[in-house]
Amino acid sequence: AQSVAQPEDQVNVAEGNPLTVKCTYSVSGNPYLFWYVQYPNRGLQFLLKYITGDNLVKGSYGFEAEFNKSQTSFHLKKPSALVSDSALYFCAVRDTYNFNKFYFGSGTKLNVKP
Amino acid sequence: SAVISQKPSRDICQRGTSLTIQCQVDSQVTMMFWYRQQPGQSLTLIATANQGSEATYESGFVIDKFPISRPNLTFSTLTVSNMSPEDSSIYLCSVRLFRTANTDTQYFGPGTRLTVL
Repeated sequence: AQSVAQPEDQVNVAEGNPLTVKCTYSVSGNPYLFWYVQYPNRGLQFLLKYITGDNLVKGSYGFEAEFNKSQTSFHLKKPSALVSDSALYFCAVRDTYNFNKFYFGSGTKLNVKP
Repeated sequence: SAVISQKPSRDICQRGTSLTIQCQVDSQVTMMFWYRQQPGQSLTLIATANQGSEATYESGFVIDKFPISRPNLTFSTLTVSNMSPEDSSIYLCSVRLFRTANTDTQYFGPGTRLTVL
């Protein structure tokens, strides 16, 4: 079975500090991994993805994610958090056999305090 | 990227009624999907909206409850039929843009927040 796990329901960080939102995955075959952000009363916005190539992927709004095959992880990171980064973050993996199907994590609420 | 709009953005409905949600994309796309996000939960794929043929439903979702139309490559509707409070969710339209493996990405609409009383 293919799945992703986000072990933290909530992450709290002070503005200006680095942030990490964790994601681990389980797939058969090569993983196609994604991060999305959901602001209150909004849909999901695409942040970044990993398909192949460099393990460090850079995305929108200064976010980046590091793909680690040995640890089956794809943690989202940002060097300096902003209050405006406060939102719900979802990790997702694409089904290896059906590219139209995504498996989403349970979401992590990021709170950035001034 | 794709700009996706949904109507209505939110609605409050009575038990037993039906609501049709519209999804409009600013460009022609082959693949359109409907997702459900129940309160405090993650996203679950309801179905793939196929242009010119019947939608493909995921396990646990049936056409009688969630009929879908896809009349062209920029538009789709999802109907939530005979609603009950358990149908209270955010319903999201999604499209897949694919030109190359590197540009293959899925985008989501703003969602329709449905409350069933």
